Amino acid sequence: SYVLTQSPSVSVAPGQTATITCGGNNIGSKSVHWYQQKPGQAPVLVVYDDGDRPSGIPERFSGSNSGNTATLTISRLEAGDEADYYCQVWAGYSDYYVFGTGTKVSVL
Amino acid sequence: DVQLVESGGGLVQPGGSLRLSCVGSGFSFSSSSINWVRQAPGKGLEWISYISGGSSTIYYADSVKGRFTISRDNAKNSLYLQMNGLRAEDTAVYYCARMEVGYFDFWGQGTLVTVSS
Repeated sequence: SYVLTQSPSVSVAPGQTATITCGGNNIGSKSVHWYQQKPGQAPVLVVYDDGDRPSGIPERFSGSNSGNTATLTISRLEAGDEADYYCQVWAGYSDYYVFGTGTKVSVL
Repeated sequence: DVQLVESGGGLVQPGGSLRLSCVGSGFSFSSSSINWVRQAPGKGLEWISYISGGSSTIYYADSVKGRFTISRDNAKNSLYLQMNGLRAEDTAVYYCARMEVGYFDFWGQGTLVTVSS
């Protein structure tokens, strides 16, 4: 089965940059999507197709993908960015849609 | 605005059944693929089922295959998940989520299913 591995947590000061990684075998060959989930709320799509943003998502959110690692970068971190973040890919016709293990971003 | 509203969750005994519903509005429901994604308490997201707009294509995760059935009624803008043979490990918040090409662009607020005696 296809596994996506994320660091459990990241702590960053306000105004700094948070970097969240998502590791998977040859993930660079897949399209990676990222979701933000705040406590008690449904997930929200923040980046799709490696680095595109849905309307309404700030430019501070960006993504990249190469080799075995995809990355979500949140620049100029704000208190409202504190949340869990999940990566997701289409893993083919046996595993279908796979989510990463999730990363908790804390704003110091 | 796109809206997805789930209902039907609740407390059920192990081995029991439950039917979840999801009503969509603000978009072309019949043209959209919809999924069920669940989240156990304190855990991550788990995709469990997909259905295409015309119901011609259906997928299930191994964890629910043979026990859960996804279906839809486009005339009612409704999606369903029939859950049989429920287990304690099925306890989770169940979300319906609209699918774009490979990603989930809109989510409902979820409905909680608790499997316990």
